[in-house]
Amino acid sequence: EVQLVESGGGLVQPGGSLRLSCAASGFFFSDHWMSWVRQAPGKGLAWVASINQPGSETYYVDSVKGRFTISRDNAKNSLSLQMSSLRAEDTAVYYCVRLSSSWRYYDYWGQGTPVTVSS
Amino acid sequence: DIQMTQSPSSLSASVGDRVIITCRASQSISSYLSWYQQKPEKAPKVLIYGATNLQSGVPSRFSGSGSGTDYTLIISSLQPEDSATYYCQHSYGFPRTFGQGTKLEIK
Repeated sequence: EVQLVESGGGLVQPGGSLRLSCAASGFFFSDHWMSWVRQAPGKGLAWVASINQPGSETYYVDSVKGRFTISRDNAKNSLSLQMSSLRAEDTAVYYCVRLSSSWRYYDYWGQGTPVTVSS
Repeated sequence: DIQMTQSPSSLSASVGDRVIITCRASQSISSYLSWYQQKPEKAPKVLIYGATNLQSGVPSRFSGSGSGTDYTLIISSLQPEDSATYYCQHSYGFPRTFGQGTKLEIK
């Protein structure tokens, strides 16, 4: 059974940093692109970042470029999102998602971890 | 960047109704379009991928159509458990973008 379990969310002050982690199991982690998707309170879904299988290619939404870093450790089946210079508008539930090998859609989602940026 | 315009933003329908939700891309996305269903406090789940392909385990009352820039999610006979918010998303390139969502309420 495919499982994606996020951790690391919490309350952080504006300008602070936070590292999210996602533990993957039940599939060959190194075979799949992975992404982070977020959802601000009461708002829609928003793609944040993606990383390819070996970790050599990364893509980010403009609003987080230079502040967030997506990375992966294929030996440990884990995905991370290092977030710095956090702003109030980064407040959201962050989902770890797996990209299907075909058609590039999100076939498995974690349960989400909440991040609140507030003083 | 490719913009995704989804409509309507909300709708109310009765059990048994046929429901249609549309999504328009600002440029051709060559059927790299998926539909997701999200219920309150839950993670989204995929319904349709590649514009027309039904994800395994999803009821057959859900279907997708479209090509180029215009896509449609159809629920052929609405059920009470279909009350949710629905999102389209393109995967043609980066940045990936979602539609703004359609909140579906059962009358």
